[in-house]
Amino acid sequence: ETGVTQSPTHLIKTRGQQVTLRCSSQSGHNTVSWYQQALGQGPQFIFQYYREEENGRGNFPPRFSGLQFPNYSSELNVNALELDDSALYLCASSSRNDRPYNEQFFGPGTRLTVL
Amino acid sequence: KQEVTQIPAALSVPEGENLVLNCSFTDSAIYNLQWFRQDPGKGLTSLLLIQSSQREQTSGRLNASLDKSSGRSTLYIAASQPGDSATYLCAGEQGAQKLVFGQGTRLTINP
Repeated sequence: ETGVTQSPTHLIKTRGQQVTLRCSSQSGHNTVSWYQQALGQGPQFIFQYYREEENGRGNFPPRFSGLQFPNYSSELNVNALELDDSALYLCASSSRNDRPYNEQFFGPGTRLTVL
Repeated sequence: KQEVTQIPAALSVPEGENLVLNCSFTDSAIYNLQWFRQDPGKGLTSLLLIQSSQREQTSGRLNASLDKSSGRSTLYIAASQPGDSATYLCAGEQGAQKLVFGQGTRLTINP
């Protein structure tokens, strides 16, 4: 059973650029959530995808968008990058078929630096 | 709006000590409480999940408790080891599997 994987590991962009981060969920999991973790802070919920649709969103602007694919992998897209977008982006997968179905498993994260 | 607070922000203890990390939350209507470990620059490792109907969970040297009425959870680590050094995060689930995290407790175990 493979765990949650994310790519790339590190990324450096400049202000105004766009970025796509990728996540492969753990085998058998159908729900993917994305979190942003600024340095020294706890992760903040961005949004969640279930059955290829957005299923809940945190306090993030529309320039943060996502996709979920039929194999349950997911992408996080951020447009018009700002300096404050520099953070560790974490993907978490979970299953609505298991008990306890709501335990979430996190990937290693993508470190995004915006210059 | 759910807010999760962890105290202390940092803790340093000698090896072998038993210790308790604290987590408090403002809204008792949480579904579950999950404790994670995070090593520097890494992702989160799930340690324990306590469902809202449970009061505690144990895994090895770790024991987590949940008191919804008082809005508190504790993580007890027995016989601490240098390998336990990490940041520990608690998170309450607000429904639809959305987790609200505290800022974490940075734990250092000194040999």
